[in-house]
Amino acid sequence: DAMVIQNPRYQVTQFGKPVTLSCSQTLNHNVMYWYQQKSSQAPKLLFHYYDKDFNNEADTPDNFQSRRPNTSFCFLDIRSPGLGDAAMYLCATSGPLSQRLAGGDTQYFGPGTRLTVL
Amino acid sequence: GENVEQHPSTLSVQEGDSAVIKCTYSDSASNYFPWYKQELGKRPQLIIDIRSNVGEKKDQRIAVTLNKTAKHFSLHITETQPEDSAVYFCAARGSGSARQLTFGSGTQLTVLP
Repeated sequence: DAMVIQNPRYQVTQFGKPVTLSCSQTLNHNVMYWYQQKSSQAPKLLFHYYDKDFNNEADTPDNFQSRRPNTSFCFLDIRSPGLGDAAMYLCATSGPLSQRLAGGDTQYFGPGTRLTVL
Repeated sequence: GENVEQHPSTLSVQEGDSAVIKCTYSDSASNYFPWYKQELGKRPQLIIDIRSNVGEKKDQRIAVTLNKTAKHFSLHITETQPEDSAVYFCAARGSGSARQLTFGSGTQLTVLP
């Protein structure tokens, strides 16, 4: 089940101290997503990469950045975490349209990183 | 953009009864509708999905129906068990090339033993 891996699973940081969350995948999927999920709420898409192309959601704060150095890895950088950024951060992947009939456009989620901001 | 509404927000059923969760979507171009189950502190897990060229899909105790005309889709769980207790999210995929999902607000299902 370790197709989408997130590290660390739990991250504690201080207010204003930069933090980086990591996601890796063994599925060779070309699309990777970062979601923020707060308690009792639906996952909220922050941004996604379609191959190397970065796509930011309009309401994602500038405080959130992302890097994708290769197909397998994607990072979420929070430059100055605030108390309101405490949440579960979920990474997900999906495959190319050519695999659609085989279910390739299904999004597979990682286990998440729970971020605590002190 | 796409807007997905999900009802009810909480649902309690007796073990063995059926549970139905309903979602509506706004973008008529949406063509893929997954359902995710999320247990407390865990990742969303895909339990069933349906594409716009199909009206109904069933997998053991779980079924999903889609009405494209009404832009409405539903999750049906029969013979519910306590382990079905979780939050269920519906989602719709719009027509964008990266296949972004728009999620409903979630339904907390509690199956009472």
